[in-house]
Amino acid sequence: DQQVKQNSPSLSVQEGRISILNCDYTNSMFDYFLWYKKYPAEGPTFLISISSIKDKNEDGRFTVFLNKSAKHLSLHIVPSQPGDSAVYFCAASMWEYGNKLVFGAGTILRVKS
Amino acid sequence: DAMVIQNPRYQVTQFGKPVTLSCSQTLNHNVMYWYQQKSSQAPKLLFHYYDKDFNNEADTPDNFQSRRPNTSFCFLDIRSPGLGDAAMYLCATSSVSRETQYFGPGTRLLVL
Repeated sequence: DQQVKQNSPSLSVQEGRISILNCDYTNSMFDYFLWYKKYPAEGPTFLISISSIKDKNEDGRFTVFLNKSAKHLSLHIVPSQPGDSAVYFCAASMWEYGNKLVFGAGTILRVKS
Repeated sequence: DAMVIQNPRYQVTQFGKPVTLSCSQTLNHNVMYWYQQKSSQAPKLLFHYYDKDFNNEADTPDNFQSRRPNTSFCFLDIRSPGLGDAAMYLCATSSVSRETQYFGPGTRLLVL
């Protein structure tokens, strides 16, 4: 039972263009969502998060959008840079889960120069 | 720099031979987690400690145990590794509930 799904295993984008990474979830009780970035041979690092009371959160080149009715969130990276090439994980949590995160399988982003 | 350290980075063990993976943190965080990540899959939480309180996930096999002797260290013990236990094992920490988790680089376990 996969509660958080990232249906695109990989995405390739030209440098300077927008990267859009998508994530769907099935449990409407999730109320906090995060994106993590992972480089090879390193652990995941926190990128950006959003609470379910918001529909958008922005941090520099990174914006996360949340559509609760569709149970969908997306991460936009504008403009994309070669250094953004990594695996991006979507994660979700709910108050009842305390500090537990449920992760998606990740999307490999390749930014071509 | 404050960080989460995992040793070793690569571990090879034999089928059925007990193995221990180690995690330490300099962040002084209350919560420590162990995740298992198999190739192209989502990291899966095995268990976590909130201070000394151990919280096991319902579907974590009995073969997996954990110890947290103090705030800084947490160990993952696999009593009788099977071929299906080959994976990346990630340790993470957070200060309190619902706060950002900080991950170590992981230990890749190979079972022969």
